[in-house]
Amino acid sequence: DADVTQTPRNRITKTGKRIMLECSQTKGHDRMYWYRQDPGLGLRLIYYSFDVKDINKGEISDGYSVSRQAQAKFSLSLESAIPNQTALYFCATGGDNTGELFFGEGSRLTVL
Amino acid sequence: GIQVEQSPPDLILQEGANSTLRCNFSDSVNNLQWFHQNPWGQLINLFYIPSGTKQNGRLSATTVATERYSLLYISSSQTTDSGVYFCAVEVPGGGADGLTFGKGTHLIIQP
Repeated sequence: DADVTQTPRNRITKTGKRIMLECSQTKGHDRMYWYRQDPGLGLRLIYYSFDVKDINKGEISDGYSVSRQAQAKFSLSLESAIPNQTALYFCATGGDNTGELFFGEGSRLTVL
Repeated sequence: GIQVEQSPPDLILQEGANSTLRCNFSDSVNNLQWFHQNPWGQLINLFYIPSGTKQNGRLSATTVATERYSLLYISSSQTTDSGVYFCAVEVPGGGADGLTFGKGTHLIIQP
C-alpha cells in the first residue's frame, strides 16, 4: 500500500460544485502539503500544515481551503469549483529532520 | 523568491544513450530533490541530495551547492526512463514552505 494515499484519483465536476480531495499518510510525518500541477508550470504550493493546529497559505491559496483532521489526514476543498482549477493535485508529506518530501499518486480534477 | 531553471526543457534519445540533466538555482538552498514523473503522472523520488554525489543503479546525481547547480545523470537509457524529471529546492528558513520546483525536463527514450 502507498504511504501517501489520495482520493479520488480522478474526478470530473461542474462549475460551482464543491469538491473535496482527501489525503492520508502512514509515514508518521507532521508536515503535509497540497500542490497543484499545470502543464508546463511544474508544481505550485497551495497550502501546508505543520500539525493539526497549524495551517498556512502557499503561493496559490485563493479559491481553496484545507482541513487537517488528524496528523495523518489533510484534505483540500474547492468551495465553488471553476474551470481554471482543472489540474493535477498532489499531496505530500515531510519528515521532521530533513526537507525531503514524499508525494501521493495525484488526483486529476476536471472542472467543466 | 528563488528561481529554479532546468535544462534542457526537452530531450529525445535512443535507447542505450546517456544523458545529463541540469538544475540551476538562484540562491542558497538547504535541500534539493530530483523526481521522475512517469507517463501516468506519479512522482517518484529519485534523490535527496543537498550536496555531494549519490548513485542508484543507472542514475546518479551531483549537487554543487556553492555553485548553485545540480546534475542528474542517466546512463544506458531505457524506454521506462521516459517522463518528466523535476528538480526541487528548499530555501533556508523556508523549510516550512516545502519545495520550489523547476519546470522540468521532458525526456523521451525511443526504442
